[in-house]
Amino acid sequence: NAGVTQTPKFQVLKTGQSMTLQCAQDMNHEYMSWYRQDPGMGLRLIHYSVGAGITDQGEVPNGYNVSRSTTEDFPLRLLSAAPSQTSVYFCASRLQGARAPLHFGNGTRLTVT
Amino acid sequence: AQSVTQPDIHITVSEGASLELRCNYSYGATPYLFWYVQSPGQGLQLLLKYFSGDTLVQGIKGFEAEFKRSQSSFNLRKPSVHWSDAAEYFCAVGAGTSGSRLTFGEGTQLTVNP
Repeated sequence: NAGVTQTPKFQVLKTGQSMTLQCAQDMNHEYMSWYRQDPGMGLRLIHYSVGAGITDQGEVPNGYNVSRSTTEDFPLRLLSAAPSQTSVYFCASRLQGARAPLHFGNGTRLTVT
Repeated sequence: AQSVTQPDIHITVSEGASLELRCNYSYGATPYLFWYVQSPGQGLQLLLKYFSGDTLVQGIKGFEAEFKRSQSSFNLRKPSVHWSDAAEYFCAVGAGTSGSRLTFGEGTQLTVNP
């Protein structure tokens, strides 16, 4: 059972470049989300989805796009990378309902120069 | 909007000593509360959760937490710390429809001395 898989593990971008962070889960979880982790700031919610075709903004959505065409996949797109987007990104999923625990991927470390 | 504060950025304890990590939350209704642990280079793993009922909840790895509504707190405790407990610990509060929006605290880094 792979759980939540994130690719790539590391990425370096130049300012203005675009890229997609991939997230896939094989647990048939309805809910999926993206967080960014910065020192001293904990994890901040970027976007989330409660099911295929449904997405919503979190706390820090600017500069990021998401889509949810299947239950398994929830890619995060950076349209025009900025140094402020240097961070560690985590994808997490769970069954529907607040009582279900979040399952996290191992993260993608992104550096924007 | 909900918020979570972890007042201690870094805590150092000796192996075998007791541990208490503080967490204070702000939310208008009854919150869903969680503690997660993150080992270096890894994602977060759930330690325990509180939704309702008994205010003392037990989790994995010998951890427990107590919900105190009057103090808006959900402190994490362990009677005897092991070297393998060294990690970063995050408190989180769930809110929104079915708890869709999970807000995390800043984290507490735990160092365990031999």
